[in-house]
Amino acid sequence: KNEVEQSPQNLTAQEGEFITINCSYSVGISALHWLQQHPGGGIVSLFMLSSGKKKHGRLIATINIQEKHSSLHITASHPRDSAVYICAVHNTDKLIFGTGTRLQVFP
Amino acid sequence: ETGVTQTPRHLVMGMTNKKSLKCEQHLGHNAMYWYKQSAKKPLELMFVYSLEERVENNSVPSRFSPECPNSSHLFLHLHTLQPEDSALYLCASSLIAGSEAFFGQGTRLTVV
Repeated sequence: KNEVEQSPQNLTAQEGEFITINCSYSVGISALHWLQQHPGGGIVSLFMLSSGKKKHGRLIATINIQEKHSSLHITASHPRDSAVYICAVHNTDKLIFGTGTRLQVFP
Repeated sequence: ETGVTQTPRHLVMGMTNKKSLKCEQHLGHNAMYWYKQSAKKPLELMFVYSLEERVENNSVPSRFSPECPNSSHLFLHLHTLQPEDSALYLCASSLIAGSEAFFGQGTRLTVV
């Protein structure tokens, strides 16, 4: 069993839909990242959070430390949001990654 | 553009070849990392350099040899690789080891 689990593994949506991607972890962490990986491989850090909630544009990330769970929400989804979304946690000085959620948003 | 540049973006090499991957950052970061991403598997940490010293080697085979000549550059030297080494190799940097990481675009390596 992976130390960081994401669900769903694959997700398709129609443009405009509200999307939620979940991440659960089983280790102690100091922070959690949400990353976006585009086709071709480049990775961009979307959020780094250790408590509560952060918002950037149409993206919202929340974390519940007690429940060891985080969610990434995308409001008013758009085809350009299509990518792989990866959850990663800081455990001591290492990053432990989930396997990613592949999102496809259709017009 | 994250400020971390990897070259080449794509590489095809034979099992007897020797090649090197290059990573460069001018963000003033002191820690640099090599990750391997194989199909359907989570990103795997290979090496960590902090202040140009290797601080972590995650049981990586010796056919992968990292080099960090200065805090802005990181290389991964490859020799006698196997087809199962075909993967996306990602470089990242952070201000200090364990802080927020910025990733390069990756090098897609195919070993034939």
